[in-house]
Amino acid sequence: GEDVEQSLFLSVREGDSSVINCTYTDSSSTYLYWYKQEPGAGLQLLTYIFSNMDMKQDQRLTVLLNKKDKHLSLRIADTQTGDSAIYFCAERASGGYQKVTFGTGTKLQVIP
Amino acid sequence: GAGVSQSPSNKVTEKGKDVELRCDPISGHTALYWYRQSLGQGLEFLIYFQGNSAPDKSGLPSDRFSAERTGGSVSTLTIQRTQQEDSAVYLCASSSERRYEQYFGPGTRLTVT
Repeated sequence: GEDVEQSLFLSVREGDSSVINCTYTDSSSTYLYWYKQEPGAGLQLLTYIFSNMDMKQDQRLTVLLNKKDKHLSLRIADTQTGDSAIYFCAERASGGYQKVTFGTGTKLQVIP
Repeated sequence: GAGVSQSPSNKVTEKGKDVELRCDPISGHTALYWYRQSLGQGLEFLIYFQGNSAPDKSGLPSDRFSAERTGGSVSTLTIQRTQQEDSAVYLCASSSERRYEQYFGPGTRLTVT
């Protein structure tokens, strides 16, 4: 079955870059996502990447996909205190079914 | 509506009682999902509704859990005879025919005492 793994915690200084990593097991994944969850709130989609891409950039966010190693990363440039949150990696398998498997989430702490 | 809404935002109940959690998806979204998020855990898939198709209930942890979606819109998740291990945040999400993005509600925090 599908499995998505992330490290639980990351601490960075304000202004530095953050890199959050994720590994997944389902080789048939078609979409891979990064969601952000702020305290007391639901999840918000940050960005996504199709499995036929290896990189996607959106302002301060860069997503890198290594499909061979089933490794996904999210880089946040110039990390701000407002970026402190839990970041979830998720994958969606191929086919018409929309079930999405989420990782455990990485808590990002930004130190001023 | 503007987004996915859930009610109540917080629910405290005694062990053994039944609870109902409500989700109002974004208007026009055909797919609706329920997840459970326990402290320090990721999202655990519970159930998925898509249009008029039979729901995928494969994530429901026990027969004490059930869910309905009336008229293809509002959904209710019911937990019977609640146990302390049911304490978690229950998140609802919906998505449109675009398929690749789920929109999440703020969640219901359930505490079973």
